[in-house]
Amino acid sequence: NAGVTQTPKFQVLKTGQSMTLQCAQDMNHEYMSWYRQDPGMGLRLIHYSVGAGITDQGEVPNGYNVSRSTTEDFPLRLLSAAPSQTSVYFCASSYGGTSPETQYFGPGTRLLVL
Amino acid sequence: GNSVTQMEGPVTLSEEAFLTINCTYTATGYPSLFWYVQYPGEGLQLLLKATKADDKGSNKGFEATYRKETTSFHLEKGSVQVSDSAVYFCALSDPTGGGNKLTFGTGTQLKVEL
Repeated sequence: NAGVTQTPKFQVLKTGQSMTLQCAQDMNHEYMSWYRQDPGMGLRLIHYSVGAGITDQGEVPNGYNVSRSTTEDFPLRLLSAAPSQTSVYFCASSYGGTSPETQYFGPGTRLLVL
Repeated sequence: GNSVTQMEGPVTLSEEAFLTINCTYTATGYPSLFWYVQYPGEGLQLLLKATKADDKGSNKGFEATYRKETTSFHLEKGSVQVSDSAVYFCALSDPTGGGNKLTFGTGTQLKVEL
């Protein structure tokens, strides 16, 4: 199993550009989520999904869109990048359900918005 | 809302020293508590967890006890190694929204020197 994979590893954007961060998992996990990691702020939840076709907002959803058409994939879209979106983005997945499950994290995407 | 507070870093220790990283939390209900570790250039991985009061999580010589009366989950290790150098995150799972939404602390960087 590859686990959770993310592409690209690093990206530079200009303000106003759009892009999609890719996330895929091969563990048949129901739950997937996106976090951003900023210095001194830990990780903050952007969006999450409890299964294919179902998504919801986390703590910091503004400026980001998500969709979940398959169990395996959970892309994160930046519609119009802003310098405030410079961050490291992590995708995570877990089995789901109501009991606390271990979340598995991808290696991260480092994004720089100029 | 939910929140997690960790001691500020960085923490620098000599090899074989005793480690304590403090973590306290605020949550409604009864969250589960986690410690995640992030090695340089990698994503987060679960170090240990505890799901109810007085539970002790342990892994790789690290341990933490869920203390409901003090709302704490301090991480300890009796003898650290250079290979333990990493960033450590305390987290809780949202007890009201299912077990998979995590709230993270800001992280504590640990550097272990020879």
